[in-house]
This record gives sequence, structure tokens and C-alpha cells, in this order.
Amino acid sequence: DQQVKQNSPSLSVQEGRISILNCDYTNSMFDYFLWYKKYPAEGPTFLISISSIKDKNEDGRFTVFLNKSAKHLSLHIVPSQPGDSAVYFCAASSGNAGGTSYGKLTFGQGTILTVHP
Amino acid sequence: DAGITQSPRHKVTETGTPVTLRCHQTENHRYMYWYRQDPGHGLRLIHYSYGVKDTDKGEVSDGYSVSRSKTEDFLLTLESATSSQTSVYFCAISETGRHGYTFGSGTRLTVV
Repeated sequence: DQQVKQNSPSLSVQEGRISILNCDYTNSMFDYFLWYKKYPAEGPTFLISISSIKDKNEDGRFTVFLNKSAKHLSLHIVPSQPGDSAVYFCAASSGNAGGTSYGKLTFGQGTILTVHP
Repeated sequence: DAGITQSPRHKVTETGTPVTLRCHQTENHRYMYWYRQDPGHGLRLIHYSYGVKDTDKGEVSDGYSVSRSKTEDFLLTLESATSSQTSVYFCAISETGRHGYTFGSGTRLTVV
């Protein structure tokens, strides 16, 4: 079963507009959420994260929103730039600090974002 | 990525042969992970390690084994490669497990 789902395989936006990428999860034990960005032929790179005790985290042009009741998170990119074109993965984790299962991430399928000039 | 390297970057192998992929880190991080990336599935955890000689299975561990004899190296072995193991394999490291991984650049494995 897919515990983390990104239901939109792709998204196309105009430069300067807002990009909104969505992610849903089913496991209520998840308490930490992350977004990764991946360019072709490279490994994913960490973008932004949020703990379940918060509902919003902002870092420059990137903001992540968490709605725990709906088990939904979203990534907003404002304004979008052509260099943002990449695959975006959301990920979730649970576990106690220092434990053996600590930090295991469950990833969604990814959304391909294309930002047109 | 700085601090983590995967080798080889590309490999073509025949069905039934053993294959070992290597992940090497210079960050002295406790946690190391092997993921595979496939279209429509995102990244799926194969095996992970939470210390030297301490490893455990992920969600897609069948057909794979791992070893971690020292902090810096985490090896992934396909005992007898199958075409379904054609994929891009990523290694990741984490100091705390909580604030994001650092991924390697990946190994593209093709089993023919």
C-alpha cells in the first residue's frame, strides 16, 4: 500500500506564477515531513521540512503547509522560476530519536514540475 | 554530492550474475540507506543501517543483501540479478535521521 501519495504526475506553470505541489499520506504515525527536489542524473536534494507540531514552514520562495486532519501537505513555490523545473518528492517519517527505525523515509511517487519562461 | 559517493555510476549485467554496489561516505554519519527509484513508484527503501554491522530490511528487500563492516561503507548486493532489478539505486546518509538525508548521485543498473 502506498502510504504517501502524490496524485499529480506532472504540473506545468508559467514563470513568476505560483506552483502548488500536493501530497497525501495515510499513516497517522508520520510526524515529520520533507520535500526533496531532483534533477535528471542527480540524487535528490533536501528542500524543506515540517514537523507535525507546526502547520506551516517557510524558507524563501518555498513554503510547506501541513493539514494533519486531512493528512495532506503541500509545497508552494512563489514566484516560480525555470530553474525550479525538476521532480519533487514528498517524504514522511516516524520514530523515536536514536531508535533503529529512526529516520526511515517513505516517499511519494514524485511530481514533475515544468516552469515555462 | 560532497561527502557521499556511489560506485559504479553505471553498470550493465546479465541475468543471474551477482552484483555489488558501493556507497562510501566521509561524513561519519550513523545512518545509511539504499533506495531504488522506478517510474510510478518514487523512491523505495531496500535496506538501511543504523550502525556498523547493524542493518535492517526496507519495503523491497527481497533479492538484496547489505553489509556494513565500517562506518564509511555500505554495500548493496544483488545475489542473482533479475530484470526486475533494473533500476536507479540511490544511497543516502543521515546524521540524525531527522533532518533530511544527503543522497549520492545514483547508480544506473541494467540487467539484461
